Amino acid sequence: DAKTTQPTSMDCAEGRAANLPCNHSTISGNEYVYWYRQIHSQGPQYIIHGLKNNETNEMASLIITEDRKSSTLILPHATLRDTAVYYCIVRVENDKIIFGKGTRLHILP
Amino acid sequence: KAGVTQTPRYLIKTRGQQVTLSCSPISGHRSVSWYQQTPGQGLQFLFEYFSETQRNKGNFPGRFSGRQFSNSRSEMNVSTLELGDSALYLCASSSGVGNEQFFGPGTRLTVL
Repeated sequence: DAKTTQPTSMDCAEGRAANLPCNHSTISGNEYVYWYRQIHSQGPQYIIHGLKNNETNEMASLIITEDRKSSTLILPHATLRDTAVYYCIVRVENDKIIFGKGTRLHILP
Repeated sequence: KAGVTQTPRYLIKTRGQQVTLSCSPISGHRSVSWYQQTPGQGLQFLFEYFSETQRNKGNFPGRFSGRQFSNSRSEMNVSTLELGDSALYLCASSSGVGNEQFFGPGTRLTVL
């Protein structure tokens, strides 16, 4: 079973920041937080991952709380092309990926 | 760099038949994972191979099997197909176990 809880769906206005929350209250010390997204009819796409520090790349920022029990993925300026299902996953480095149901993000024009 | 390629992209089979799907990872990647995606169950992990050895396995019956070749290309086989095996089968490659995974476009299998 997935070790994360995410809202089923969210809306965000185009051009605004999209903040996607994820709860992982049972995360252990050696588990990373990964985010992937899946645009309709395509394979999932890696976005970002982190262990305890906040991370940023060209796609998004990942904010992990100090107790590591939750995290937020931030898409700074959402566009229509960001409409997708976003998956939050926790795993140790050499373990399999267990996908949950994810959050269906709708970007509104 | 070319991405992950999967062949065929679409496949129609009948119950009881068997099927083999192929995955070519990104050049230099040695880890290949397979997933099944259905509307009801979502994305489910099948197995992962690294350097021709199965590293992890999901909870699927023995009808689902896979292998990896010395050039890192991988195949998965499903024998005695059932209607419930209709799904999108996704392959992902990474440079090592635990690294970020790059997914292919998938093979859509329909079992009639």
